[in-house]
Amino acid sequence: DAKTTQPTSMDCAEGRAANLPCNHSTISGNEYVYWYRQIHSQGPQYIIHGLKNNETNEMASLIITEDRKSSTLILPHATLRDTAVYYCIVRVANNAGNMLTFGGGTRLMVKP
Amino acid sequence: DGGITQSPKYLFRKEGQNVTLSCEQNLNHDAMYWYRQDPGQGLRLIYYSQIVNDFQKGDIAEGYSVSREKKESFPLTVTSAQKNPTAFYLCASSSMAGSYEQYFGPGTRLTVT
Repeated sequence: DAKTTQPTSMDCAEGRAANLPCNHSTISGNEYVYWYRQIHSQGPQYIIHGLKNNETNEMASLIITEDRKSSTLILPHATLRDTAVYYCIVRVANNAGNMLTFGGGTRLMVKP
Repeated sequence: DGGITQSPKYLFRKEGQNVTLSCEQNLNHDAMYWYRQDPGQGLRLIYYSQIVNDFQKGDIAEGYSVSREKKESFPLTVTSAQKNPTAFYLCASSSMAGSYEQYFGPGTRLTVT
């Protein structure tokens, strides 16, 4: 599975959009981009995933560049409850065991 | 409610003792996983199981053991051979039918002194 690079931490004002970048320059054609988040002392929570098209759900939007070497997770109106560590993961769908490889993630702090 | 339960939330043990962490799911998922998380770090895979009576080592299996006798249950034993057992342990499950999503339990924080 391709490696990802994320900033260690970011701040965002409450009510504003939070844009979390992820670099995955070695991604291969059959690898998807997944985002999870982990609120302090809880288990990670799935947010969204995509292959090459932009995706949107009730939680967030995922923008993937045309060359697929980077992506951005967008929380359109961040709230204090969005303070968490956000993990960008790249992997082949249905790989053996459906395993996820978590890196360090981005610690997002939403401030009032 | 469907989901994954882990118990207890906090666990304290003396060094040299084996300890078993519980993980139960009622989501009818085939696959289950155990991860370890150290402060300020990402998750690392300990063991996973794709089907009952089968399991595979992850990246950091040394000092741990698992069993998968029932579909709903995947207990993890932290043995005395694990040199640094104090950590946050997370259990997860997923459907093997092409699912991209893993569902995580609330975690067990183990402290060994």
